[in-house]
Amino acid sequence: DGGITQSPKYLFRKEGQNVTLSCEQNLNHDAMYWYRQDPGQGLRLIYYSQIVNDFQKGDIAEGYSVSREKKESFPLTVTSAQKNPTAFYLCASNPLDSTGYGYTFGSGTRLTVV
Amino acid sequence: GESVGLHLPTLSVQEGDNSIINCAYSNSASDYFIWYKQESGKGPQFIIDIRSNMDKRQGQRVTVLLNKTVKHLSLQIAATQPGDSAVYFCAENGVTGGGNKLTFGTGTQLKVEL
Repeated sequence: DGGITQSPKYLFRKEGQNVTLSCEQNLNHDAMYWYRQDPGQGLRLIYYSQIVNDFQKGDIAEGYSVSREKKESFPLTVTSAQKNPTAFYLCASNPLDSTGYGYTFGSGTRLTVV
Repeated sequence: GESVGLHLPTLSVQEGDNSIINCAYSNSASDYFIWYKQESGKGPQFIIDIRSNMDKRQGQRVTVLLNKTVKHLSLQIAATQPGDSAVYFCAENGVTGGGNKLTFGTGTQLKVEL
């Protein structure tokens, strides 16, 4: 079945540590996105990429980094510069064609600082 | 310091009743709108979409209404069931020249009472 896979489902980070969240899709979608969700709040865009080897900052990119070396993969690194990283992280993809603008989401990674 | 989570607007309905969830969008140039359902600890799932050249679109048990004059979107769920309990987000695609980027609302918590 086609879809987006995020791993791990739960992740614990120590203070000052970098961690990388995985996002893989087999939908052949061109665009991929990372969102952060805090309790009781909407989705905030961190980074997005519409083509391999290119990506743009979203609204809250500080303290995060991404890469897009393959069409299928868009990993997110939460660096030690992100002061409040505890949140639910969602990856999404979109085909960027005339079928519509809707995103397909992964099941999320819950990151907790310990 | 640590941010405090906001309380989502909550709609409580009796099982079998109809639910109406409202959303105000911000960009008058948005040409596409989507409703997502998010269950606790999971990624958002697509429910229904509508383009700006339509006022109404129906799916299975769901109807989306679009009022461009007042920039208002609503989701109607017929015969609400316990499995409908979730957070519902609207999203708009405001084409701003930066490619396909959805902007998400804060969300509404739907609680179905037996």
